[in-house]
Amino acid sequence: KQEVTQIPAALSVPEGENLVLNCSFTDSAIYNLQWFRQDPGKGLTSLLLIQSSQREQTSGRLNASLDKSSGRSTLYIAASQPGDSATYLCAVAANQAGTALIFGKGTTLSVSS
Amino acid sequence: NAGVTQTPKFQVLKTGQSMTLQCAQDMNHNSMYWYRQDPGMGLRLIYYSASEGTTDKGEVPNGYNVSRLNKREFSLRLESAAPSQTSVYFCASSGGLLNTEAFFGQGTRLTVV
Repeated sequence: KQEVTQIPAALSVPEGENLVLNCSFTDSAIYNLQWFRQDPGKGLTSLLLIQSSQREQTSGRLNASLDKSSGRSTLYIAASQPGDSATYLCAVAANQAGTALIFGKGTTLSVSS
Repeated sequence: NAGVTQTPKFQVLKTGQSMTLQCAQDMNHNSMYWYRQDPGMGLRLIYYSASEGTTDKGEVPNGYNVSRLNKREFSLRLESAAPSQTSVYFCASSGGLLNTEAFFGQGTRLTVV
């Protein structure tokens, strides 16, 4: 059974710092990996989708990498801002449950000004 | 550009009451999903529909039923609500192919008293 783990569970950084969020998964046979952002009391906003054949994806100050063989992904946030404060969720689509996403429990990021 | 729309946004039920959560997507997606999100548990899959006319159980299906009314709509029904079903419910959709992005609704916050 696929399991997704995110470390750390919470992270506090000062504004301007570069940071890395980690995601690991137990079964490397995934179709894709997706990073989401969730603000308190809100829904999930898709940030980046990495297909199984890709190594990384970039969007603005965000860069996500994927190493399928080791079961790891990282989300790199450059020059963090207070507006980046949110919970970041990692999810993988695998050959189960109709390729539904399996989620980690998230990393809650707080960026102070 | 509606994406995935859920109704209602908030609901309070008494134990034993029934209700249906509605979800509709306008992206012509094949696959639709229902998740629940609880503190410390992350997002867990309740039911999914890989394509119109099919539905299957996810990780936590007990106490729920679903209907894939057509390609656009996927509803979740609680026949006899219990306090353990107090949660935030999210509907999602994706193209259903191996490498397409999943999109989420804004959620329904349900309290069962």
